[in-house]
Amino acid sequence: AQTVTQSQPEMSVQEAETVTLSCTYDTSENNYYLFWYKQPPSRQMILVIRQEAYKQQNATENRFSVNFQKAAKSFSLKISDSQLGDTAMYFCAFMKHNFGNEKLTFGTGTRLTIIP
Amino acid sequence: DSGVTQTPKHLITATGQRVTLRCSPRSGDLSVYWYQQSLDQGLQFLIQYYNGEERAKGNILERFSAQQFPDLHSELNLSSLELGDSALYFCASSADTPGNQYFGPGTRLLVL
Repeated sequence: AQTVTQSQPEMSVQEAETVTLSCTYDTSENNYYLFWYKQPPSRQMILVIRQEAYKQQNATENRFSVNFQKAAKSFSLKISDSQLGDTAMYFCAFMKHNFGNEKLTFGTGTRLTIIP
Repeated sequence: DSGVTQTPKHLITATGQRVTLRCSPRSGDLSVYWYQQSLDQGLQFLIQYYNGEERAKGNILERFSAQQFPDLHSELNLSSLELGDSALYFCASSADTPGNQYFGPGTRLLVL
């Protein structure tokens, strides 16, 4: 079974600064996907970024980028030029590349607060 | 707005009762997933449907059941409700398998 670990329950950073959220996972699979989801106070789950395990290049979406280290089974999220709207819970999630069972396995989340 | 809709937004009921949660996926998405988010269990996968057929099951209790209809909307039925079933229930949909899952706003269930 896959497990996802987010070891930082809470973090805070000043507006406009850069922050990195950590995630590690455990799997015996070789092909899989990793995701970061954001859950603001509205409780809506919003997809932030996705990384395919077979891709060596780290994914980037505007101010959000990841550092994917496959051998270390590490998948961190970097938020640059942080904004007040980035305040949210952030969940790391794992999905096997397995047609027929595409469930997401989530970590416990990191609560990020952006300080004005 | 993800394009996934869920009704109702809030539901308050009593122990022992039965409720039905409804989900409409994004237009064209064939896969529907149900997740439960609770304080003690975190976000847990319950069940997946693909084009009307059950595709995968997670930690779904026997008191819970789901189905996906020909128009692709899905319903999650929760019966013999217990206090511990109080949670936020999410539906998600995806166009591809495997693919990005887009979540609805959730149904907040409170069992008293």
